[in-house]
Amino acid sequence: DSGVTQTPKHLITATGQRVTLRCSPRSGDLSVYWYQQSLDQGLQFLIQYYNGEERAKGNILERFSAQQFPDLHSELNLSSLELGDSALYFCASSVGTGVEKLFFGSGTQLSVL
Amino acid sequence: DQQVKQNSPSLSVQEGRISILNCDYTNSMFDYFLWYKKYPAEGPTFLISISSIKDKNEDGRFTVFLNKSAKHLSLHIVPSQPGDSAVYFCAAREGNTPLVFGKGTRLSVIA
Repeated sequence: DSGVTQTPKHLITATGQRVTLRCSPRSGDLSVYWYQQSLDQGLQFLIQYYNGEERAKGNILERFSAQQFPDLHSELNLSSLELGDSALYFCASSVGTGVEKLFFGSGTQLSVL
Repeated sequence: DQQVKQNSPSLSVQEGRISILNCDYTNSMFDYFLWYKKYPAEGPTFLISISSIKDKNEDGRFTVFLNKSAKHLSLHIVPSQPGDSAVYFCAAREGNTPLVFGKGTRLSVIA
């Protein structure tokens, strides 16, 4: 158990809909990262938050947004969903920034039908 | 443009033998490299890492080698065990930037 909690584990929705993925980092970790793993793709970095502030942005679509709340949990919002958004979404946390050891949650499997 | 490449999607090895997983990168500014292991229905877990100032790092059965001139790193597992069967991701970082991952290599260790 990494200590990172992601909910829900599975999500099935239709095109055009909006969903919210939730992540609770390990106790004491201030950084939260979101990664997307599509079929035959590696882990694509989406966005990082550190202590409530956006720290780094990767290949995140404009239809996607995220935030980190004062209690340090984070939410990834995906809107106007398309078939190609179907993927495994991982959240990871670390104590600070630039720390090599990320602790990953077990992921949310999103299926857009 | 993939900065971290794992060109072998899968690898099959006999139990007790050596497993060698390879990774190439294009960004010469990467200064830290890591390997993560992932079992089905779980998130990736950290396995071993190496700084760009070193060329080898060992941890038990796992050794990572870095060849900076070739922009290549490899993970050696000796001896391989059935429990090592998993997907292995190579990752790299430049300074304090987020980790960049490869697509992964699925290792199957056959008893």
